[in-house]
Amino acid sequence: GAVVSQHPSRVICKSGTSVKIECRSLDFQATTMFWYRQFPKQSLMLMATSNEGSKATYEQGVEKDKFLINHASLTLSTLTVTSAHPEDSSFYICSPRTSGIDTQYFGPGTRLTVL
Amino acid sequence: AQSVTQLDSQVPVFEEAPVELRCNYSSSVSVYLFWYVQYPNQGLQLLLKYLSGSTLVESINGFEAEFNKSQTSFHLRKPSVHISDTAEYFCAVSDRDSSASKIIFGSGTRLSIRP
Repeated sequence: GAVVSQHPSRVICKSGTSVKIECRSLDFQATTMFWYRQFPKQSLMLMATSNEGSKATYEQGVEKDKFLINHASLTLSTLTVTSAHPEDSSFYICSPRTSGIDTQYFGPGTRLTVL
Repeated sequence: AQSVTQLDSQVPVFEEAPVELRCNYSSSVSVYLFWYVQYPNQGLQLLLKYLSGSTLVESINGFEAEFNKSQTSFHLRKPSVHISDTAEYFCAVSDRDSSASKIIFGSGTRLSIRP
């Protein structure tokens, strides 16, 4: 099956700092990348969608200047949480898609804790 | 817009007992339906999916789900559960008519198996 990696798997940072999360599709090319956020004991909430080489489309209520998404290549996308605050502490999951809906896969997630 | 309702946040069952995890969806267009599983401290994995054809779909580990259009349901069932089935299960829906469709998740059901 398709392999998706995220780095780091866990990160702890101080309030006000920025954190970058990398998502790589190791054995396929992702034309579209979805970023989700999962709070404890809650479901996955879609944050944004990006296509390779294009600007990301953000869901309602998600601040585009706070959550910077770069999808520069078909195998790498990054999510940068800028000026992180404790309320940004969450589990962030990337989900690359190659073509149709049945070719969408999920990364193992990154747990962000902001102190 | 689509939405997914998982009425049961937790389902405790004894080992080797049958289980049903309920899922209902709402959509004004045709949909694809999915069940994902998240084992403790792991990422999301696709368990099974309905795209078209037979309304009964099965997974490799004994789960099955049936798409019922009239009841807008996609309940997940297993005739005999194992301890290893302990996990969080997410039902999800996607619009099949759009090339830019997003996967929308339900709130999840925590399945706990008692020996």
